[in-house]
Amino acid sequence: DSGVTQTPKHLITATGQRVTLRCSPRSGDLSVYWYQQSLDQGLQFLIQYYNGEERAKGNILERFSAQQFPDLHSELNLSSLELGDSALYFCASSVGWGLYNEQFFGPGTRLTVL
Amino acid sequence: QQQVKQSPQSLIVQKGGISIINCAYENTAFDYFPWYQQFPGKGPALLIAIRPDVSEKKEGRFTISFNKSAKQFSLHIMDSQPGDSATYFCAASLGGSGNTGKLIFGQGTTLQVKP
Repeated sequence: DSGVTQTPKHLITATGQRVTLRCSPRSGDLSVYWYQQSLDQGLQFLIQYYNGEERAKGNILERFSAQQFPDLHSELNLSSLELGDSALYFCASSVGWGLYNEQFFGPGTRLTVL
Repeated sequence: QQQVKQSPQSLIVQKGGISIINCAYENTAFDYFPWYQQFPGKGPALLIAIRPDVSEKKEGRFTISFNKSAKQFSLHIMDSQPGDSATYFCAASLGGSGNTGKLIFGQGTTLQVKP
C-alpha cells in the first residue's frame, strides 16, 4: 500500500457526461501528479500540483481540469466525456517537486465511457 | 524528443533466467531514469532508479545499466522468479529548467516468468 488513496475505484458513465476523480496524497507529501494509462497511449503525464499551485502541464485535454485543495487532496475533472477517455487514471504524490523525488502511485480509478 | 522507447513489448523467461528490458531516449536534458513495476490492478511502484553520471546501479537482483553516449539504459533481472511477473516501465525525468519531476514513461514490457 503506497499510502495514496483514489476514489472511486471504478466509474462507468456515458458520453457527454462529467466526472470527478479524487486523490488523497500520502501524509506529508505536497506534490500531486495525475497520469492517464491507456492501451494505445501507455502512461501519460497529465498535470502536477505542488502545495496548491499548478506546477507542470502535460498532454491534458482542455475538457480536463484539476485542482489541489488546501488540505492537499486533488481532484481531476473530466467533462464532455468521449469513448476515448476510457482509461486508468493514476494519481501519484511526492514530498517535494523535482526529478529526484520518488513518486508514490495510488491504485488508480478505472473510467469506462459507454 | 520527449519520448522514451522501450523494448521488448513482452518477454517470457524461465525461472532462474535473466530478464533484460531496454530503453532508449533522445533528449539529453533527461537527468533521472527510474524503473517502475506494476502488478495487475495496482499502481506502478518504483523499483530502482539511476542518474546519468553513473553507469550501473544494483539493488538485489535488479540492475540498471546506463550508456550515456548511446542514450540507452536497461534493466536486468537476475535469477528471475515467478513473483517478478509484472509490467515494467522505464521512465525519464527532465533536469535543468524543465525540472518539475514529471515522468515520461516507456510503453511498458510485460514479463512472464515461467516456473
